[in-house]
Amino acid sequence: DVKVTQSSRYLVKRTGEKVFLECVQDMDHENMFWYRQDPGLGLRLIYFSYDVKMKEKGDIPEGYSVSREKKERFSLILESASTNQTSMYLCASSSYGTSGGYTDTQYFGPGTRLTVL
Amino acid sequence: GQQVMQIPQYQHVQEGEDFTTYCNSSTTLSNIQWYKQRPGGHPVFLIQLVKSGEVKKQKRLTFQFGEAKKNSSLHITATQTTDVGTYFCAGLDNYGQNFVFGPGTRLSVLP
Repeated sequence: DVKVTQSSRYLVKRTGEKVFLECVQDMDHENMFWYRQDPGLGLRLIYFSYDVKMKEKGDIPEGYSVSREKKERFSLILESASTNQTSMYLCASSSYGTSGGYTDTQYFGPGTRLTVL
Repeated sequence: GQQVMQIPQYQHVQEGEDFTTYCNSSTTLSNIQWYKQRPGGHPVFLIQLVKSGEVKKQKRLTFQFGEAKKNSSLHITATQTTDVGTYFCAGLDNYGQNFVFGPGTRLSVLP
């Protein structure tokens, strides 16, 4: 079974703090993704990575950065947390698409609920 | 950019009733995926549709991909309380470059 783990289930930080969210997958997947989930807005892509040291901006990259130094690990960084970054953060991984396109089935981690005070 | 919409946003049904959620894309899709997220859980992959007009079934769930590959539907027959959750569609555009989730349909099933 694919396993995607995230470093914390719940996190509380203060405005201006630097925040690191870590994600690890054990299926040797090429692709890794960071989403945020807010009520009524569904899942919005922040960044994704299709290989080590490679990254692409998603729909809402502002205020975030990412790091992928190893294939199994993808980190999301909030350089200076703000209250509007309070959200559920979901990490996912996938292999390259088998029917065309860059992504096959995405496997999600349990999520990190981040509160910025 | 590519947009994926879902209707309805919420649906409350009595146990045993049928349920359908619709997914519409602003652009032609290469494929579409469906995910289910239980309350307090994370999205879990259900199925992927690739061909125009494709219909797939998983027990009481029927998934359909439109002929124009711009819309899809998920139909649940005789809902059960275990069907409670939010159902998301996610579409890959025809260039294979943009993968976008819809906002989801939250299903409540009253016993």
